[in-house]
Amino acid sequence: DVKVTQSSRYLVKRTGEKVFLECVQDMDHENMFWYRQDPGLGLRLIYFSYDVKMKEKGDIPEGYSVSREKKERFSLILESASTNQTSMYLCASSSELDFANTGELFFGEGSRLTVL
Amino acid sequence: DQQVKQNSPSLSVQEGRISILNCDYTNSMFDYFLWYKKYPAEGPTFLISISSIKDKNEDGRFTVFLNKSAKHLSLHIVPSQPGDSAVYFCAAGTYKYIFGTGTRLKVLA
Repeated sequence: DVKVTQSSRYLVKRTGEKVFLECVQDMDHENMFWYRQDPGLGLRLIYFSYDVKMKEKGDIPEGYSVSREKKERFSLILESASTNQTSMYLCASSSELDFANTGELFFGEGSRLTVL
Repeated sequence: DQQVKQNSPSLSVQEGRISILNCDYTNSMFDYFLWYKKYPAEGPTFLISISSIKDKNEDGRFTVFLNKSAKHLSLHIVPSQPGDSAVYFCAAGTYKYIFGTGTRLKVLA
């Protein structure tokens, strides 16, 4: 089974702090994604990566950056956390083969971040 | 402007009946359409998908219909069960996906 693991399920941070959200997948997937989920807004794509050291902006990249130094790990960084970044953050991964067959993304359990 | 819309924020259905969840999209270039189910405090779980070259795909109790001329996607769940109560998201795209805002389904026992 594919496993996408997000390092922290719940975090509480203060405004202005630097926040790291880590995601690791164990299936050698090429593609990795960071979404945030907010009530009434669904899932919105922040950043994605289709290869090591490669990244592309999603729909809402402002205030975020990412790092992909190894294929299995994709980190989301909030350089200076703000209260409007309080949200559920979801990491996902996929392979080119999965896209060809079902188009499926595999999601982690999510990280609930609260910024005070 | 939202490219993927789920216009019904909630839906209640009696156990054993059919649940129909709807999704509209604007971009005719999308290759894949997916449905995910999500429980609170958990990650989304993949349910079923359909490629743009098909108009129907079935998997057990779940069937997805794609009407490309209307740019409309629907998920049918038959028969509905209380365990199906969750938020359902549709998604559309190619290698990256745009998600709808979700429909909360409540199946009443």
